[in-house]
Amino acid sequence: GNSVTQMEGPVTLSEEAFLTINCTYTATGYPSLFWYVQYPGEGLQLLLKATKADDKGSNKGFEATYRKETTSFHLEKGSVQVSDSAVYFCALYNDYKLSFGAGTTVTVRA
Amino acid sequence: DAGVTQSPTHLIKTRGQQVTLRCSPKSGHDTVSWYQQALGQGPQFIFQYYEEEERQRGNFPDRFSGHQFPNYSSELNVNALLLGDSALYLCASSPRGNQPQHFGDGTRLSIL
Repeated sequence: GNSVTQMEGPVTLSEEAFLTINCTYTATGYPSLFWYVQYPGEGLQLLLKATKADDKGSNKGFEATYRKETTSFHLEKGSVQVSDSAVYFCALYNDYKLSFGAGTTVTVRA
Repeated sequence: DAGVTQSPTHLIKTRGQQVTLRCSPKSGHDTVSWYQQALGQGPQFIFQYYEEEERQRGNFPDRFSGHQFPNYSSELNVNALLLGDSALYLCASSPRGNQPQHFGDGTRLSIL
């Protein structure tokens, strides 16, 4: 079956610090991979995606590379801002459905 | 361009009751998926509707059912509500089941 394991939180950082959230997956076939972000009281917003091995997704300073050999899709940002405080979900798409990790809560202090 | 819209935003029910949640997909999208997100957890896939048929279903009991209308909007019905059904219910739409899926803000269902 499909499953996603992501780094447990919460993660607390100072502004301008480097952020990494680890994500590994198990899937049959060749899934597409995603990072979604959820702000308090809201639904999920797509942050970035990658559809095949070695693809790099990027958006708003965030990046993640689809690594088939290590079945990973780690999220990184070089300099976080207070506005990046949110819950981040790693997900894979296979068999018409998204499978999500448990989420990582990130808090950025000014 | 309206995104995915869900109604109502909040709902309170008691055990044993039935509930219907509604979703209008993003313009140009014809596929609707439903997810259940319990507090502090990632969303869990309930089912996906395409061309008014249930195309895929997750590990949810038959108490959870759905419908898709010709205008692509969708309903999620839950019968015989249990306390454990308390969650945020998210609707997502996509074009022809392709990616990515776009999510609405969800319906917060509380069971007393």
